[in-house]
Amino acid sequence: NAGVTQTPKFRVLKTGQSMTLLCAQDMNHEYMYWYRQDPGMGLRLIHYSVGEGTTAKGEVPDGYNVSRLKKQNFLLGLESAAPSQTSVYFCASSYSWGEGTQYFGPGTRLTVL
Amino acid sequence: AQSVTQLGSHVSVSEGALVLLRCNYSSSVPPYLFWYVQYPNQGLQLLLKYTSAATLVKGINGFEAEFKKSETSFHLTKPSAHMSDAAEYFCAVSGAGNEKLTFGTGTRLTIIP
Repeated sequence: NAGVTQTPKFRVLKTGQSMTLLCAQDMNHEYMYWYRQDPGMGLRLIHYSVGEGTTAKGEVPDGYNVSRLKKQNFLLGLESAAPSQTSVYFCASSYSWGEGTQYFGPGTRLTVL
Repeated sequence: AQSVTQLGSHVSVSEGALVLLRCNYSSSVPPYLFWYVQYPNQGLQLLLKYTSAATLVKGINGFEAEFKKSETSFHLTKPSAHMSDAAEYFCAVSGAGNEKLTFGTGTRLTIIP
């Protein structure tokens, strides 16, 4: 039981390049989330999904897109990376909304030059 | 909408001393409250959560938190700090219904030998 895994762990991009971050969970959770963590700002929700085939915007969605084609996977895409997207990205999943514990992946450290 | 305020971005305590990390919340609906811990270069993991059962919640590693509605607080305590407690701690709130999880900005705990 691996929990929540993220690929890759580290990535360096040049401004304007694109990339996709992959999140996978093996707990059969309906809900999945993408956060970014920046110093002094805590975690901010980028996008989330309440089930396979659904996605919704969070607090800071601009510049990102997501897809949830399979229940266990949640992909985060950056179409044209900007230096402001330099951050640590965390994926999480939960069994239920609201009171449900969120289980986090180990994070992806992204630097955009 | 809901929010959390964590007082003190950095807290230092001596090994064996009391740990007190402060969290105040704002919520228009009955809240669910969480404390998560993040060790260096790792994702977040749940320490404890309040979901309207007992107001004193016990978590892992000897931590506990008390929900005080009159003070809108959910402070985290541990009677005796251990070196392994050095980490960043996040308070988070969500609400009954459709409220998403909102994180505080975090408190970095340093343990002095």
